[in-house]
Order: sequence, then structure tokens, then C-alpha cells
Amino acid sequence: DGGITQSPKYLFRKEGQNVTLSCEQNLNHDAMYWYRQDPGQGLRLIYYSQIVNDFQKGDIAEGYSVSREKKESFPLTVTSAQKNPTAFYLCASATGWGSNEKLFFGSGTQLSVL
Amino acid sequence: QKEVEQNSGPLSVPEGAIASLNCTYSDRGSQSFFWYRQYSGKSPELIMFIYSNGDKEDGRFTAQLNKASQYVSLLIRDSQPSDSATYLCAATGGSWGKFQFGAGTQVVVTP
Repeated sequence: DGGITQSPKYLFRKEGQNVTLSCEQNLNHDAMYWYRQDPGQGLRLIYYSQIVNDFQKGDIAEGYSVSREKKESFPLTVTSAQKNPTAFYLCASATGWGSNEKLFFGSGTQLSVL
Repeated sequence: QKEVEQNSGPLSVPEGAIASLNCTYSDRGSQSFFWYRQYSGKSPELIMFIYSNGDKEDGRFTAQLNKASQYVSLLIRDSQPSDSATYLCAATGGSWGKFQFGAGTQVVVTP
């Protein structure tokens, strides 16, 4: 089955700890995205990547880091510099280009602080 | 000013009635518009997209776009309890280049 797989579903972070959220897709999509969703709010873009070995900061990149070493994988690290990490994290990949681009989401990771 | 705005709701709709959701956007350069459905604790699911002015129908869903008024709407006909969810409006292709999402409208379909 083609799709976007995020793991783990739930993740707990201790003070001062870095944690990494996994995102893998087998849809052969070039573009991948990370969003953060807080209760009652829309999605905010953290990072995005349009090709392997290249990525750009989104609106709220501070305290986060990413890598794109393979087309299929776009892991997100939440560093200890992110002081308010509790949120629902969504990975997405996109098919099409420009105005024909459509975004599809993984199942999400709920990150909480212990 | 938020780039994409929606009423947060909740929008209460009797079962079998039409749910009407509205969305406005600030960037006139936006070209593509999307509606996502998100159940509580789940990820957004793409249900409609529209590029041209006018109506686009898919089953019980109709998306309407008016670029002159910078307005997108979603109609859900014959609403069912399973339609109870938060609906996110998104736009792309404008000056910001990437997808911009509204905060979502919560719809509650009452039996």
C-alpha cells in the first residue's frame, strides 16, 4: 500500500532531550513537509524539502532540524531549544507542481513533555 | 491579518441538512484551494480541491470559488453524523509560495 508513515504515534520528551520523529513515504513524491498543529489552531509550517539534500525553513523552524538524505525519508528532530514542543506533528508529501500541487498527510505524531 | 480565515464554529447541522462552510483568503495571487476533513486526533484528509471560479461537485460535496471576492466555500449535502469533524481550508500559489491553512471550522451533525 502506498502512503506516508509516521512513527511513533505518541512520543514523550524529557527536559533537555532531543527527539526525532520519523516520516517515510513510498509515493515517489519529491516534496515533503513538516507541520505543527496546536489545539484550535491551523497548521504551521516547520520545514519543507523539494528535492533530496535540500530543505528550507518554514514559518516556525526555530528549535527544529531536518535532513533529506533519501527521497523517501524526511525525519524531524525536536531539539532542547524548542521550549514548547507539545503539539501534534504532521508530515506531508506533495504530488504535482506549482498550482497543481496537492498535499497528503501521514497519520501524525503527538509529542508531549514529561 | 491571517492569510486564510475561517469561522471556528462549532457549526451545528441537523442530520440530512446542508452544511455550509466559508473561507476567505488575503492573497489575490492564490491559485489553488483545498478542503481537508480532520477527525479528532487524526490527520487531515483531502476531500476537495478547486482551481477555477465556479462550482465543483463530488458526491455530497460541492466546492465553490469566487476569486474576485477571495472566497471559497464548501457545501455538504445530506449531512450525516460521520461528517462531524473539523474542516480545514487551504490555499496555495500566492506570494508566500506554500500552502496556507485556516484554523478550521468544527462541524457537528446532530441526529
